Amino acid sequence: DQQVKQNSPSLSVQEGRISILNCDYTNSMFDYFLWYKKYPAEGPTFLISISSIKDKNEDGRFTVFLNKSAKHLSLHIVPSQPGDSAVYFCAAPAGGYNKLIFGAGTRLAVHP
Amino acid sequence: NAGVMQNPRHLVRRRGQEARLRCSPMKGHSHVYWYRQLPEEGLKFMVYLQKENIIDESGMPKERFSAEFPKEGPSILRIQQVVRGDSAAYFCASSPARSSGRDHEQFFGPGTRLTVL
Repeated sequence: DQQVKQNSPSLSVQEGRISILNCDYTNSMFDYFLWYKKYPAEGPTFLISISSIKDKNEDGRFTVFLNKSAKHLSLHIVPSQPGDSAVYFCAAPAGGYNKLIFGAGTRLAVHP
Repeated sequence: NAGVMQNPRHLVRRRGQEARLRCSPMKGHSHVYWYRQLPEEGLKFMVYLQKENIIDESGMPKERFSAEFPKEGPSILRIQQVVRGDSAAYFCASSPARSSGRDHEQFFGPGTRLTVL
């Protein structure tokens, strides 16, 4: 029962271009979504979030878009930098509190 | 360092031994969560605790696994009689009481990588 899905295990982007990471969910009760970034041998770090009452949230180079009718969200990084190379996880809180349901992650590689 | 602390960072155990993983939440945080990440997979929720209480252990295997968050000291995830399938990265996260605006955000520790030989 995978309620949060990231169907692209990897993505390769040239430095300076846009990176688009996708996430789909099945549970229409989710009302908040988070993106975490993870480097090897480190824990995930919070990147950006969006409430279901919005369709867009922007923070510097990072923008998250939410399409509730399609149960789809995406993370845009522009311009992409080599330091953005990491695994990105989409997550949603469930169970009435802070139990996070994670997608499988997308490994982003930004090359010069 | 005010971040979430986990120790040890790496733990090697032989089959049948016990593994104890420790987590000290961020200062001021009273909620602790444990997640497990198997290779090439996302993080899977295991258990949610507040001081001296287990709130949700729906992700914990029924046997051999237990967790506690005592009044004093770190949270402990204990795995008895480890098997090779327990080899994974175990992450602890913490959050403040649910009075803050961004009460869905969890702050993660660096993880403990358990290897069972």
